[in-house]
Amino acid sequence: DAGITQSPRHKVTETGTPVTLRCHQTENHRYMYWYRQDPGHGLRLIHYSYGVKDTDKGEVSDGYSVSRSKTEDFLLTLESATSSQTSVYFCAIRRAKITDTQYFGPGTRLTVL
Amino acid sequence: AQKITQTQPGMFVQEKEAVTLDCTYDTSDPSYGLFWYKQPSSGEMIFLIYQGSYDQQNATEGRYSLNFQKARKSANLVISASQLGDSAMYFCAMRESLTTSGTYKYIFGTGTRLKVLA
Repeated sequence: DAGITQSPRHKVTETGTPVTLRCHQTENHRYMYWYRQDPGHGLRLIHYSYGVKDTDKGEVSDGYSVSRSKTEDFLLTLESATSSQTSVYFCAIRRAKITDTQYFGPGTRLTVL
Repeated sequence: AQKITQTQPGMFVQEKEAVTLDCTYDTSDPSYGLFWYKQPSSGEMIFLIYQGSYDQQNATEGRYSLNFQKARKSANLVISASQLGDSAMYFCAMRESLTTSGTYKYIFGTGTRLKVLA
């Protein structure tokens, strides 16, 4: 258990509304990641953070923004949700030891109507 | 080109038998890592096993082993003595360096769905 929680776990929203997903970790990890999971695509990186206020884009960042004002929290915002953003969103931390393994939160299922 | 390829969308195995899930990768980074994750129907991503590019021996973790063939760029997961609880989606992933920011990039395959039959 890597001490990662995500909220909300499920959300249904309407097209055009802003949505914020929260990832919270308790182990003081420097690196945090947001992925989306869609059938046939595996996990794709949206944004990642390498420290407080330090973030960078992943391969599918359009329509998403992130913020990290505290080590323990990494927020993902959909500025104006679209149906194509219906997905399962996973947060991950990188445990910076020998293997630099990623550990994942439980996921958030987002439906945009 | 796909950096991580899992060519088996779905597989069946009889309970108590061994099964191999295929994964091939492509990278020019000499220092990379390979991972396998399990995703049961409940949805969480569970880390199973890791293999470093410089590791001389195949990684093992209980009933899981990673058949690492570096020259062939393959990192197949072997599950011995399959159990009903092994039914899940399995993802292969690779860690490589991002030279621009000095951090790592993780790339995932599209997964293999394994069904264990009683």
